[in-house]
Amino acid sequence: GENVEQHPSTLSVQEGDSAVIKCTYSDSASNYFPWYKQELGKRPQLIIDIRSNVGEKKDQRIAVTLNKTAKHFSLHITETQPEDSAVYFCAASIKDNDMRFGAGTRLTVKP
Amino acid sequence: NAGVTQTPKFQVLKTGQSMTLQCAQDMNHEYMSWYRQDPGMGLRLIHYSVGAGITDQGEVPNGYNVSRSTTEDFPLRLLSAAPSQTSVYFCASSYSPWEAYEQYFGPGTRLTVT
Repeated sequence: GENVEQHPSTLSVQEGDSAVIKCTYSDSASNYFPWYKQELGKRPQLIIDIRSNVGEKKDQRIAVTLNKTAKHFSLHITETQPEDSAVYFCAASIKDNDMRFGAGTRLTVKP
Repeated sequence: NAGVTQTPKFQVLKTGQSMTLQCAQDMNHEYMSWYRQDPGMGLRLIHYSVGAGITDQGEVPNGYNVSRSTTEDFPLRLLSAAPSQTSVYFCASSYSPWEAYEQYFGPGTRLTVT
């Protein structure tokens, strides 16, 4: 089955700096790569996703890049704000019933 | 729309007890799933369903049963609770059972087994 690894497990940045979280996946058939944000005590919520036919996607301060050859994808957050502090999860899916999540990255943005 | 709802929010069980975690969605989603979340391990798929009457096992199904009698409801049953099942449980739903789309998560149930 699919195996997703996520790095780093914790990340601390100064407000206004950029943050980058990286994930690798094992199954070359994976074609959907979402990123979820989970605030303390809350449910995970989708912040951005990308499909395998696209190399990069942006949504305001958030971007995701995908390298299918190397089987890795990354989340980029620019101009970080304290409210960006949360745990971020990457995931990879061949189809809906095979979604595998990374272990998560705890991002702390210091004011 | 309420989205995905779960009950209870918190539960404490003794080893060997059984219980059912309830999950419902009002978005007419065909796909529903159950995950457990443990510290440092992300979200792991327990069981999923691609429609009423159809269920299948995920990554960590042992000790859990599910059924899907309606599109809206997808309960998770713990047959004989064990301390290893102490976790936060999330139900999720998605539009399509055949193509990966955003999953909408419920608020979670925090289960402690003593």
